Amino acid sequence: AQSVTQLDSQVPVFEEAPVELRCNYSSSVSVYLFWYVQYPNQGLQLLLKYLSGSTLVKGINGFEAEFNKSQTSFHLRKPSVHISDTAEYFCAVKGNFNKFYFGSGTKLNVKP
Amino acid sequence: EAQVTQNPRYLITVTGKKLTVTCSQNMNHEYMSWYRQDPGLGLRQIYYSMNVEVTDKGDVPEGYKVSRKEKRNFPLILESPSPNQTSLYFCASSFGSGQGGGYTFGSGTRLTVV
Repeated sequence: AQSVTQLDSQVPVFEEAPVELRCNYSSSVSVYLFWYVQYPNQGLQLLLKYLSGSTLVKGINGFEAEFNKSQTSFHLRKPSVHISDTAEYFCAVKGNFNKFYFGSGTKLNVKP
Repeated sequence: EAQVTQNPRYLITVTGKKLTVTCSQNMNHEYMSWYRQDPGLGLRQIYYSMNVEVTDKGDVPEGYKVSRKEKRNFPLILESPSPNQTSLYFCASSFGSGQGGGYTFGSGTRLTVV
């Protein structure tokens, strides 16, 4: 069975500081990995995805993530956050039969 | 514009009154799915559809029905809503199994059952 763990439910950070949101997954098969962002009162928007190839994936809004197969991790990073990055972030795994498994979400709170 | 359209965005209803939340996508996606989002529980899959006339239960299907008569539409039906179905609902679509594409999500439907 596949599962996704987001270790931090909330991450407070000051504006212009770097941030890392952690995601670990468990899977016995090859997976596709995703990060989604949900701004208040909105749906989920795709930030970035790892399908194959380079383990460092760049997404929108200056975010990037690194796929680490040995540690089964797909952590999301941004070198300098803005107030507008305040949102909830979801890590997801796409496994067999097109089924998506979502983590429980990490709320990023960027303070001025 | 490629999108998933859900209606309505907000709905308040009474216990037992049947309702339908519509979902439509214009990307020719084979796969469509319904999720509910509750605080502390993340996103939980209700039902999904691999293609027209092919639907299956997700993790929390009780109290819900779906149909997939056309590729673009995937309505969610609550035959007899109850207060524990008060939640934020999302429809999502993607290309089929074997392809790496992610979901495209609708904007959500906030349902309150009183």
